[in-house]
Amino acid sequence: KAGVTQTPRYLIKTRGQQVTLSCSPISGHRSVSWYQQTPGQGLQFLFEYFSETQRNKGNFPGRFSGRQFSNSRSEMNVSTLELGDSALYLCASSTGAGGFTYNSPLHFGNGTRLTVT
Amino acid sequence: AQRVTQPEKLLSVFKGAPVELKCNYSYSGSPELFWYVQYSRQRLQLLLRHISRESIKGFTADLNKGETSFHLKKPFAQEEDSAMYYCALNYGGSQGNLIFGKGTKLSVKP
Repeated sequence: KAGVTQTPRYLIKTRGQQVTLSCSPISGHRSVSWYQQTPGQGLQFLFEYFSETQRNKGNFPGRFSGRQFSNSRSEMNVSTLELGDSALYLCASSTGAGGFTYNSPLHFGNGTRLTVT
Repeated sequence: AQRVTQPEKLLSVFKGAPVELKCNYSYSGSPELFWYVQYSRQRLQLLLRHISRESIKGFTADLNKGETSFHLKKPFAQEEDSAMYYCALNYGGSQGNLIFGKGTKLSVKP
């Protein structure tokens, strides 16, 4: 199976702009989660989508949003970019059935590195 | 609130030496615990889970609920083990919501 695919790999944006990141999960996976990774805060959960519905949300401002399409592909949007949004954004997919992962752990993509200048 | 602590940012050992990467968590229920590894220029990938109780690449980890720990161990480190290791917890809220520790960089010297 193909792995989790994230596009683009790199982005450079200016403060105040908005950005959209894309994630294609592993075939058959219905859950897509997004994480922000920074040197200071590490990996932090942004949100999770399952069957086109946001199932869980981390502690991030409303400028961070996402959506999921019927084919399970997901997009994440950040509006009014701030310098502190510079980070590696990781997408992960799983089967999504239930709260615990049991035999379906998270599979991560390579990430999109966003730089805000 | 749930939390995962990895007390060591960097752990440096010589090849052939034993390795123990520490992980402590705070959660009163029965969580799932994981170790993820990120090798240089590769994606974050699952190393092992507490429920499978298996050895992967010579690594093992035992969940100690009394001490709320899930330390990762390997009796003889290899140079190819050099990587970032992350301990993670799933408390059952949803599959995608893992709480990660800040990671430990393992450096195995020849």
